Amino acid sequence: DVKVTQSSRYLVKRTGEKVFLECVQDMDHENMFWYRQDPGLGLRLIYFSYDVKMKEKGDIPEGYSVSREKKERFSLILESASTNQTSMYLCASRTTGRSGYTFGSGTRLTVV
Amino acid sequence: SQQGEEDPQALSIQEGENATMNCSYKTSINNLQWYRQNSGRGLVHLILIRSNEREKHSGRLRVTLDTSKKSSSLLITASRAADTASYFCATDGTGANNLFFGTGTRLTVIP
Repeated sequence: DVKVTQSSRYLVKRTGEKVFLECVQDMDHENMFWYRQDPGLGLRLIYFSYDVKMKEKGDIPEGYSVSREKKERFSLILESASTNQTSMYLCASRTTGRSGYTFGSGTRLTVV
Repeated sequence: SQQGEEDPQALSIQEGENATMNCSYKTSINNLQWYRQNSGRGLVHLILIRSNEREKHSGRLRVTLDTSKKSSSLLITASRAADTASYFCATDGTGANNLFFGTGTRLTVIP
């Protein structure tokens, strides 16, 4: 069964910590995405990548960076975690062409 | 914003009834997609309708698209308690490489 795997379901970090959220897909998809989901705001795109070592900013990239060294792995990095980054983080992937996304199960991050 | 907007925000129905959710959007699209999210989980792709299609069916799901009104609807027939979830529309715009999601409709199906 094809899937997108996010390394943690729940994560609690302290303000100022550097946080790594990992996402791995086994479908050989070219495109990978990081969204955050907050009540009343829906899903907002943070960053996406359409190829290895390539990245594009989404709507809310401030305070985040990403890394894609291998095709199957797309990492989201919170350089210095802040309480306003407490959220549900969702990773997704899709192949080239206008297809649907496959999502991971999400990581609920709490920054205290 | 390029986000779609779902209507209603919340919907509560009895098992066996039909549920209709609507989505409006602002930009030109290649396709529009519907997703489902169970509480605290990731989203699951349900159905994709292309801009040159007007209606599409998948099992108990029926999706319509009206590009002149920039709107879509998702109909779930003969609802079940297991259909309880949030439903999101997502637009695949002509000028973008990613999907734009609405804020979702929370559907509750009462057994």
